[in-house]
Amino acid sequence: DARVTQTPRHKVTEMGQEVTMRCQPILGHNTVFWYRQTMMQGLELLAYFRNRAPLDDSGMPKDRFSAEMPDATLATLKIQPSEPRDSAVYFCASGLGGGQYFGPGTRLTVT
Amino acid sequence: AQSVTQPDIHITVSEGASLELRCNYSYGATPYLFWYVQSPGQGLQLLLKYFSGDTLVQGIKGFEAEFKRSQSSFNLRKPSVHWSDAAEYFCAVGAMNYGGSQGNLIFGKGTKLSVKP
Repeated sequence: DARVTQTPRHKVTEMGQEVTMRCQPILGHNTVFWYRQTMMQGLELLAYFRNRAPLDDSGMPKDRFSAEMPDATLATLKIQPSEPRDSAVYFCASGLGGGQYFGPGTRLTVT
Repeated sequence: AQSVTQPDIHITVSEGASLELRCNYSYGATPYLFWYVQSPGQGLQLLLKYFSGDTLVQGIKGFEAEFKRSQSSFNLRKPSVHWSDAAEYFCAVGAMNYGGSQGNLIFGKGTKLSVKP
């Protein structure tokens, strides 16, 4: 049963620290998405890639967030420096054409 | 503007009762529609999707949804709810990019379902 995996599942860090979240998409999926979920805003699209190329990152605060796909099996989302308002659950999803399949998420707490 | 509206924030039904969760969308192109379910602390699981063809689509866990173009709606239904169905449900609309690859989705705010014994 193919699944999207994300690490770490939980992360607590202090304001100003760098945070890196990783995602392994389902093998063969050519599109990868990063979402952020908060109580106030719900699910927000941060960025997405197709065939490892960034297609849209308009949802990301550019000054502190960056997303990359170093290879087809790894997507990363980095926050530097982190701020308390970045506390949220970050989801990665992958797809090929039949819908998006979500990972379990990384719960980030910035104190 | 593209948007998805789920008018009910929270719904409570009795176990064994029928369920309908509402979803309305505004989308400029041909919509591809999805329902996802999220249990506490979990990621989103795809319940069902509509791309074209029969407007009544069947999904996993006994759910179905009906696409009504004239009403811009894609309501989710289940004839008999089980306690394990308690979760949050998200409706989403998106498009296919050129070549058939998955485009980005616009999600509704979600409807939380509680089930009474």
